[in-house]
Amino acid sequence: DVKVTQSSRYLVKRTGEKVFLECVQDMDHENMFWYRQDPGLGLRLIYFSYDVKMKEKGDIPEGYSVSREKKERFSLILESASTNQTSMYLCASSLAETPTPGELFFGEGSRLTVL
Amino acid sequence: DQQVKQNSPSLSVQEGRISILNCDYTNSMFDYFLWYKKYPAEGPTFLISISSIKDKNEDGRFTVFLNKSAKHLSLHIVPSQPGDSAVYFCAASITGNQFYFGTGTSLTVIP
Repeated sequence: DVKVTQSSRYLVKRTGEKVFLECVQDMDHENMFWYRQDPGLGLRLIYFSYDVKMKEKGDIPEGYSVSREKKERFSLILESASTNQTSMYLCASSLAETPTPGELFFGEGSRLTVL
Repeated sequence: DQQVKQNSPSLSVQEGRISILNCDYTNSMFDYFLWYKKYPAEGPTFLISISSIKDKNEDGRFTVFLNKSAKHLSLHIVPSQPGDSAVYFCAASITGNQFYFGTGTSLTVIP
């Protein structure tokens, strides 16, 4: 079974702090994604990566950056956390070639509260 | 602009009856559609998908219907079970790369 592990389930940070959210997958997936989930807005794509050291902006990249130094690890960075970044953050991965395009495997989520 | 819309935030259904969850999209370039299920405090899990070259895909109690002319898809669950109570997200993609998710529908199956 594919496992996507997010390092922290719950975090509380203060405005202006730098925040790291880590995600590791164990199935050698090429693609990795960071989403945030907010009530009434669904899942919105922040950044994604198709390969090591590659990154692409999603729909809402402002205020975020990412790092993918190894294939299995994709980190989301909030350089200076703000209260509007309080959200549930979901990491996902997928194979580049698959009979089921679009089948994403999600982690359990990291709920971030910025005070 | 929301390219994938789920206009019903919630739905309640009696156990044993049919649940129908709806999803509309605006981009005619979407060629693959998926449904995900999400329980509280867990990540979404893939449920069922359909390619744009089909109009129906069935997997056990779950069937997805696609109406391309109306840019509409629906998920039918029959019979509904209490364990189906969850939030359901539809998603659409172009060439299986970037995926656009709807806002979700919270389904409650009443025993």
